[in-house]
Amino acid sequence: DADVTQTPRNRITKTGKRIMLECSQTKGHDRMYWYRQDPGLGLRLIYYSFDVKDINKGEISDGYSVSRQAQAKFSLSLESAIPNQTALYFCATSESGSAEAFFGQGTRLTVV
Amino acid sequence: SQQGEEDPQALSIQEGENATMNCSYKTSINNLQWYRQNSGRGLVHLILIRSNEREKHSGRLRVTLDTSKKSSSLLITASRAADTASYFCVHDRGSTLGRLYFGRGTQLTVWP
Repeated sequence: DADVTQTPRNRITKTGKRIMLECSQTKGHDRMYWYRQDPGLGLRLIYYSFDVKDINKGEISDGYSVSRQAQAKFSLSLESAIPNQTALYFCATSESGSAEAFFGQGTRLTVV
Repeated sequence: SQQGEEDPQALSIQEGENATMNCSYKTSINNLQWYRQNSGRGLVHLILIRSNEREKHSGRLRVTLDTSKKSSSLLITASRAADTASYFCVHDRGSTLGRLYFGRGTQLTVWP
């Protein structure tokens, strides 16, 4: 089983719909992250959380919200999806005190 | 905006040849890492070099870091077709250890 699991793996949704992407981890890490990847580009940070009561904005948080329901779960929501949010979304985790990140397999989101 | 730049953006070589990828960044860093991404899939950590280190090896990988030039290189020796992937240079800086900054990546193609 994957240590960092994202659901769904693929999603097509319509403009204006609310959508939630979920991430769960079995690594026991405190820190969790949501990134977005657009074609030909590296990853950009949307939100991150260093523990259950901690939520921080990243570079591109507008139009997104997150919830850290438990140490192992971190969900990303698009309140009203728009086409330019079509991208590949990655969840990642890391241990406190470590720079190394562990990534999920990604969620490919298409907004039509 | 991207926080670093890889060079070249694309590299095509034959099996058995060495592949060298370079990256530059703009600020002082704590650590520099290289990650690999197979087409549209999750990223996998390859190697980490700390800001006070100049060179590091791991199997067929050799990473160098020149903090005075704000640059790093990744050398893959005796490349294989299975090395075909995108390679990302990633750094962290300041006090937020787990927050990572990605370059655009180098797409490496290794022909059998």
